[in-house]
Amino acid sequence: AQSVTQLGSHVSVSEGALVLLRCNYSSSVPPYLFWYVQYPNQGLQLLLKYTTGATLVKGINGFEAEFKKSETSFHLTKPSAHMSDAAEYFCAVMATGNQFYFGTGTSLTVIP
Amino acid sequence: KAGVTQTPRYLIKTRGQQVTLSCSPISGHRSVSWYQQTPGQGLQFLFEYFSETQRNKGNFPGRFSGRQFSNSRSEMNVSTLELGDSALYLCASSLEEPWGDTGELFFGEGSRLTVL
Repeated sequence: AQSVTQLGSHVSVSEGALVLLRCNYSSSVPPYLFWYVQYPNQGLQLLLKYTTGATLVKGINGFEAEFKKSETSFHLTKPSAHMSDAAEYFCAVMATGNQFYFGTGTSLTVIP
Repeated sequence: KAGVTQTPRYLIKTRGQQVTLSCSPISGHRSVSWYQQTPGQGLQFLFEYFSETQRNKGNFPGRFSGRQFSNSRSEMNVSTLELGDSALYLCASSLEEPWGDTGELFFGEGSRLTVL
């Protein structure tokens, strides 16, 4: 069975500070891992994904995530938060059958 | 290339009614998935269609159904609406097979259903 846990439903950071959004997964097979971002009244947009190969994945808008198999984690980071980063972030795992499992989301607030 | 289009964007229904939501995937995408998004629950998988066949189904009651047409457009239907069905319904499309260089879902902006 596959599942995703996002620690912290709300995260607040100051503008310019490090962003760290946590994601842990469980999967019975090697997973594909994703981070999506959702802005108000919009659908989800892919930030980055891990399929195979390099475990440090770089995405759009300066975000990156590292796949750590031993910790079953795929945390999302950004060195310096910008006001435009305020949004809802979802971690997801896809194992088999094109079925995605999403976490419950983390709402990021950026304080000026 | 046009994105995933969902209609209607907003709708209000009363309990007991039924509703049909439509999704047009990105051209060339044959897989269409539906998700229900509610505060605190995140995205819950409803079902996925590929070439007019339902390949996967989530844990929702039979009141929730869907179908896919030969042009890959998809509809989902909810019958006998309940207050708890109020949610944002998201449709996502992907290329023929997720394995390989994508495995990516492209989402529409959703249909926000309010049940009174």
